[in-house]
Amino acid sequence: AQSVTQLGSHVSVSEGALVLLRCNYSSSVPPYLFWYVQYPNQGLQLLLKYTTGATLVKGINGFEAEFKKSETSFHLTKPSAHMSDAAEYFCAVSLTGANNLFFGTGTRLTVIP
Amino acid sequence: ETGVTQSPTHLIKTRGQQVTLRCSSQSGHNTVSWYQQALGQGPQFIFQYYREEENGRGNFPPRFSGLQFPNYSSELNVNALELDDSALYLCASSLVGDSGNTIYFGEGSWLTVV
Repeated sequence: AQSVTQLGSHVSVSEGALVLLRCNYSSSVPPYLFWYVQYPNQGLQLLLKYTTGATLVKGINGFEAEFKKSETSFHLTKPSAHMSDAAEYFCAVSLTGANNLFFGTGTRLTVIP
Repeated sequence: ETGVTQSPTHLIKTRGQQVTLRCSSQSGHNTVSWYQQALGQGPQFIFQYYREEENGRGNFPPRFSGLQFPNYSSELNVNALELDDSALYLCASSLVGDSGNTIYFGEGSWLTVV
């Protein structure tokens, strides 16, 4: 079985500040981990994913995430927030890498000018 | 642009009715999954189809059913609609065997049950 916990349903940061969105997972086997972004009234866009290999994963729009097995975490970061980053962010896990993702409840990011 | 298109984008149905949602997957993708996203929640996995057969299902009752066609388009059918079925329904396609297995989502179909 697997589960995903996203700490903080709402996060606010100032434009230019560090973005940190937290994700912890539980999994009986080494997981595949994903971060998706959802803009209002739109579908999901993949930001980045971890499958195997390097634990620091770089994604689109300047985001990156680090897989820490000892902490069962996959936190998403961006050094400098931009107004266009305001959206809902979802962490997801898959045990097989197949198209059966288990999502967290999401974190809404607000960027303050 | 993900190459996954869904229709209709919005629809309203009455409790007890049946609905069919459609998805056109990215060319060549042999796996399609459907997810339900209730307002304010993360998407929940409904089921997955691979080569026209269901090969994985989440915690959804049998009145949620699907089809995948040889051209990799697919349908989600929901019978006996309930008010709680009101949600955004997302289709996602992928290619089994693709290293890393990138999954592409459509923009969804908004279903309102009244």
